[in-house]
Amino acid sequence: GAGVSQTPSNKVTEKGKYVELRCDPISGHTALYWYRQSLGQGPEFLIYFQGTGAADDSGLPNDRFFAVRPEGSVSTLKIQRTERGDSAVYLCARAGQDGEKLFFGSGTQLSVL
Amino acid sequence: RKEVEQDPGPFNVPEGATVAFNCTYSNSASQSFFWYRQDCRKEPKLLMSVYSSGNEDGRFTAQLNRASQYISLLIRDSKLSDSATYLCVVNRDDKIIFGKGTRLHILP
Repeated sequence: GAGVSQTPSNKVTEKGKYVELRCDPISGHTALYWYRQSLGQGPEFLIYFQGTGAADDSGLPNDRFFAVRPEGSVSTLKIQRTERGDSAVYLCARAGQDGEKLFFGSGTQLSVL
Repeated sequence: RKEVEQDPGPFNVPEGATVAFNCTYSNSASQSFFWYRQDCRKEPKLLMSVYSSGNEDGRFTAQLNRASQYISLLIRDSKLSDSATYLCVVNRDDKIIFGKGTRLHILP
């Protein structure tokens, strides 16, 4: 939705496995955000990109989480050695032209068994 | 302490009533403010920006008090379709931070 495509929509994995979540915004938007949302909670900031670089990655919970955006468009969130506590909806958003109103994708529901 | 705090509710309000939500933020360097709406199992969507002078969009009125670091949202003549979670959002140096959300149930 809103010019942001996230794939897969659902991902089930086993504890300890590696996963990649993809975010594909419509072109022409330099700012891109990743959030994680657990049930009953608000979206928790993870990282945001300006162009290809991570402008603020202070929300990444630990070094198992990493995100890239090599060409300034598509972004991938990578989680190593997944844990059950990583289960959540991972949301990606592009910023509008003013740089601060966010337009979200439909999210990826990650379930770690 | 969370940077953005909201009463999680739920607020159960009869149709047609007026309801108000509040939100506080802890960092005085925060620059801009928003309300988002999130329906069950859907992504958040921007409802409105919040300006110091107060602003209105139809039945919705948002207010900001920078001195008290307090944001409010007022919904008049509530409709069944207003049932959702309302998220208070703060932008601090392009780090956009969401509150936990306030759940609203409009009762027929």
